[in-house]
Amino acid sequence: SQQGEEDPQALSIQEGENATMNCSYKTSINNLQWYRQNSGRGLVHLILIRSNEREKHSGRLRVTLDTSKKSSSLLITASRAADTASYFCATADYKLSFGAGTTVTVRA
Amino acid sequence: EAGVTQSPTHLIKTRGQQATLRCSPISGHTSVYWYQQALGLGLQFLLWYDEGEERNRGNFPPRFSGRQFPNYSSELNVNALELEDSALYLCASSLAGRELGNTIYFGEGSWLTVV
Repeated sequence: SQQGEEDPQALSIQEGENATMNCSYKTSINNLQWYRQNSGRGLVHLILIRSNEREKHSGRLRVTLDTSKKSSSLLITASRAADTASYFCATADYKLSFGAGTTVTVRA
Repeated sequence: EAGVTQSPTHLIKTRGQQATLRCSPISGHTSVYWYQQALGLGLQFLLWYDEGEERNRGNFPPRFSGRQFPNYSSELNVNALELEDSALYLCASSLAGRELGNTIYFGEGSWLTVV
C-alpha cells in the first residue's frame, strides 16, 4: 500500500499564481521528500525535509511538515509554465514510498 | 558528474519472454532502488540493493528479480513477461543508508512494452 497520499489529484492555475499541494501519510517517518516528474520522464528531487524540521525553502519552493498531523505541504510560488508536471511526496521508513501524485498544469 | 543512467531507453518484448534492464548509479552511491510506474498508476517499489545485497523487496512476484554488481551497478530481470508488465521502470540511487535518510536520485527510466 502507498504511504503518502497527495491532494488534490490535479491542479490547474494561471502563470504567476501560487500552487499548493498536500501530502498525508500513515506511519512515523525519518524524512519526507518531494519530487517532480515531467511526462514520461524520470523523477527530479526537489526537497528533503527531516522529521525534526518544520519548514524548508528552496528557491520558489516551500515545504512544511507537521508530524503530529502526519502531513506535509508543497507551495510553489509565482508559478511558471515550466512547473507543469506531476508532483509526488515520498516518505522514508524502511523504504521510500510514493503517493499517486498531484498533476499541476500552469496555464500561460 | 553523471547522474543515474539507465539502459535501454525503450524495450519491446513479446509475452513470455524475458527482459533485462540496467542501471548505473551516481558515482559514490552504493544503494540502488527499482520502481515500476505503470500508466496512470503511481510508483510501486520493486527492489532495494545496498552493498551488493538485497535489502528490501516490494510486493511483486518472484519473476521480478535483480542483482547488484561489485561496481554497484544493477540489473533488473523480468521473466515470463505479461502484458501488465508494460511500464516505465525507474532506477534510483543514494549514498548508503540503512534507514533511507539520504536523498534518492532517479534516472530517466526504461520503457518496457510487452506485446
